[in-house]
Amino acid sequence: AQRVTQPEKLLSVFKGAPVELKCNYSYSGSPELFWYVQYSRQRLQLLLRHISRESIKGFTADLNKGETSFHLKKPFAQEEDSAMYYCALRSGANSKLTFGKGITLSVRP
Amino acid sequence: EAGVAQSPRYKIIEKRQSVAFWCNPISGHATLYWYQQILGQGPKLLIQFQNNGVVDDSQLPKDRFSAERLKGVDSTLKIQPAKLEDSAVYLCASSSPSGVVTGELFFGEGSRLTVL
Repeated sequence: AQRVTQPEKLLSVFKGAPVELKCNYSYSGSPELFWYVQYSRQRLQLLLRHISRESIKGFTADLNKGETSFHLKKPFAQEEDSAMYYCALRSGANSKLTFGKGITLSVRP
Repeated sequence: EAGVAQSPRYKIIEKRQSVAFWCNPISGHATLYWYQQILGQGPKLLIQFQNNGVVDDSQLPKDRFSAERLKGVDSTLKIQPAKLEDSAVYLCASSSPSGVVTGELFFGEGSRLTVL
């Protein structure tokens, strides 16, 4: 069975502070990991995926298979980063996405 | 491009009543998903369609939930009879063929159901 754990419900930081949103997963095979984001009054949307290994809006995430983690990081938070962030996992193309419970990031001015 | 359309946005019913939600995916997106998101939880897949065929409905409570996508475009999700625990946001999402490979789903705004 596959499971995604986001241990924190809320992270509140000041603008310019570093951000790390934690995600741990449980899966016996080689998973694909994603971060989805939902800004206020907007739809849930893909932020980034581990396969692409790219930085989106200053966010990066590295898959650590030894620690079974996929933490989302940004060195300097901006107010517009305030949103709900969901970590998600799937076992392969066309397989279902399993989402974590999500974490609210609040960036204060 | 137009996004995924869902209706109604809000619905309040009493337990044991029935309800139906409608979804129109992005044009050209062959894969359509229905997710259930209970307050405080992440979205949970109920059913996935590829054109008008079911790919995965392993988490759909088939005794009360049904979904169809007869012409491979629009889809309807029905709950009958509703229970209190069905109170949730029902999200529809769609993917293009490349999106299925990359894992990029496009979500609708959701239909919020309250069962009293």
